[in-house]
Amino acid sequence: ILNVEQSPQSLHVQEGDSTNFTCSFPSSNFYALHWYRWETAKSPEALFVMTLNGDEKKKGRISATLNTKEGYSYLYIKGSQPEDSATYLCASLNSNSGYALNFGKGTSLLVTP
Amino acid sequence: EAQVTQNPRYLITVTGKKLTVTCSQNMNHEYMSWYRQDPGLGLRQIYYSMNVEVTDKGDVPEGYKVSRKEKRNFPLILESPSPNQTSLYFCASRFGPVGEQYFGPGTRLTVT
Repeated sequence: ILNVEQSPQSLHVQEGDSTNFTCSFPSSNFYALHWYRWETAKSPEALFVMTLNGDEKKKGRISATLNTKEGYSYLYIKGSQPEDSATYLCASLNSNSGYALNFGKGTSLLVTP
Repeated sequence: EAQVTQNPRYLITVTGKKLTVTCSQNMNHEYMSWYRQDPGLGLRQIYYSMNVEVTDKGDVPEGYKVSRKEKRNFPLILESPSPNQTSLYFCASRFGPVGEQYFGPGTRLTVT
């Protein structure tokens, strides 16, 4: 089992605040890092897939960075809105795990007006 | 519409009664996976498949079986369900190792 850790476990911010979460993953045999957004009573939906060290991806107010040498990724949300409330999952894909996606336990974000 | 479908969405059953949860995707994806989600434990992989007739165990395979006879279907079989298999189950698929993963709507299983 590959250890993918996410922090913080939960976060409560006010509307308009910017926030960020961390995902740490095994750097050996690294292949890809995925971020997913999971709203209550729905299924997880893909945000980003990153493969290269130094990768930065952006979708609207959400962006992510990747450091494969030290094994971490940051997810940033600029100007949080109540509709950003969800659990954010990261998942590591390493070539020595048969290309299975290993998920962290997620960061639960609550944005209040 | 590109999608992953699962059936049934909800199931209450009794210990020992064999059941199958079906999963189908219409995107011609090679990779398919089954996960279970339990409070405080996150998404844990049960089995995954990289192509037809190629399957491998995930982190929690005990008590489950899968098959991949066709590319689009990946059923999850519980030969003799037990109460500790009460959980929310997700099927997912993706195109290749780095493709975005698409999740089904989930199956909530209760074993009494």
